[in-house]
Amino acid sequence: EAAVTQSPRNKVAVTGGKVTLSCNQTNNHNNMYWYRQDTGHGLRLIHYSYGAGSTEKGDIPDGYKASRPSQENFSLILELATPSQTSVYFCASGGGQINERLFFGHGTKLSVL
Amino acid sequence: GEKVEQHESTLSVREGDSAVINCTYTDTASSYFPWYKQEAGKSLHFVIDIRSNVDRKQSQRLIVLLDKKAKRFSLHITATQPEDSAIYFCAASTTGGYKVVFGSGTRLLVSP
Repeated sequence: EAAVTQSPRNKVAVTGGKVTLSCNQTNNHNNMYWYRQDTGHGLRLIHYSYGAGSTEKGDIPDGYKASRPSQENFSLILELATPSQTSVYFCASGGGQINERLFFGHGTKLSVL
Repeated sequence: GEKVEQHESTLSVREGDSAVINCTYTDTASSYFPWYKQEAGKSLHFVIDIRSNVDRKQSQRLIVLLDKKAKRFSLHITATQPEDSAIYFCAASTTGGYKVVFGSGTRLLVSP
C-alpha cells in the first residue's frame, strides 16, 4: 500500500503568518496533489505536480504556493495566512501513469485565528 | 475546466437495501472516473473506478455505470451494510491530463 505522510497533523496559525504544510510519499509516484476539504464544497484542488521541479495551479490557487523539490516531497505554502484558509488539507499521490488511483495522506487540520 | 457535480448530498438507506450515488461531469474529454470513500474522521481511500472504454464495472457489491452520452456516472452499492456508512466522492480526469477533479461528496448512512 502506498504511503503518503503529511505533517503536521494539526496546526494553529495566526492571521498574516506563514504556514508550510509538508507531504512525503515513498512510492515513487510522479503525480502529487494538494486539496482542501470544506463542508459543502467537497475536495477542491489547490496545486498539483507531475514531477520534481513542476507545480501547476489547480482550481483555487489564490493565496497558496507549492513546491516540489524532489520526487518524494511536495509542500503547500501559505505566505500570509487568513481565517478563510481554515480547513482540512489533504495531500495525495498517484501512479507513474496518468489516470491512476490516488493515495491520500491522513490530512492536516489548519486553524487560522 | 472540468466540473463534477455530485447530486445527492446525503443518502439514507436500510441495511440490505441498495444505494445509488449519481455524478455528472462537464468535460467530454474526461476518461477516468474513480470513487473514493471517507469514513468518519479518516482520510479518503479508493474503492472502484471506471474508464471510458467500458460502461459498467463491478467489484463485489460495488457497481459503477458510465453513460458518456449523458456525461453521467453512478455508484451502486448492493446489499448495504452498516460499515458502508461514509462519505463517498466521485472524481474525473481527462485523457492525457494530470488534474483530478472531485465532486462535493455524498454522506451515506446505512441504518440497521
